[in-house]
Amino acid sequence: RKEVEQDPGPFNVPEGATVAFNCTYSNSASQSFFWYRQDCRKEPKLLMSVYSSGNEDGRFTAQLNRASQYISLLIRDSKLSDSATYLCVVSGGGADGLTFGKGTHLIIQP
Amino acid sequence: NAGVTQTPKFQVLKTGQSMTLQCAQDMNHNSMYWYRQDPGMGLRLIYYSASEGTTDKGEVPNGYNVSRLNKREFSLRLESAAPSQTSVYFCASFWSGLYDGYTFGSGTRLTVV
Repeated sequence: RKEVEQDPGPFNVPEGATVAFNCTYSNSASQSFFWYRQDCRKEPKLLMSVYSSGNEDGRFTAQLNRASQYISLLIRDSKLSDSATYLCVVSGGGADGLTFGKGTHLIIQP
Repeated sequence: NAGVTQTPKFQVLKTGQSMTLQCAQDMNHNSMYWYRQDPGMGLRLIYYSASEGTTDKGEVPNGYNVSRLNKREFSLRLESAAPSQTSVYFCASFWSGLYDGYTFGSGTRLTVV
């Protein structure tokens, strides 16, 4: 069974701090990797794809370590609006959908 | 706005009643999916349709049926609702490419009493 494991948190972080999440995945054949953000009672929304070489989008940096089968997300200079649940998501490349982690709950405190 | 539209947004059913959740996308995506999300369980795939005319079971298909009516529409039917089907249901669509994410609808909150 394909699995994606995340620390559920919550992570309580002061505004302006840097916070990092990791997740691990079990299927070594996985091909695509994503971080999604989900606000309370809302649908998941794509935050960023994760590339083998690592990628950055503003304050967000994602890294992929295929050898160790883990994915990371770094948020710098955190804002109150970053409070949400962050879902680690993995795809085998087929049409059978994505495998979601259960999410890490982040709370940014003023 | 282009995207995935789900109806209804909220529904309360009595045990044994049937209903159909509707989903439509206007992004010309080939693949469409139905997920359910329960507290502490994360998102779980119920059924998917890789292309028009095909449907396949996901992780938790029991108690559900689906229809891919055309490229745009993918419906989920509960023939005889059970309290265990109380959940939030999300429809999603996907085009192609390794680095394209899914687009989700806003969800249907279903309560079965």
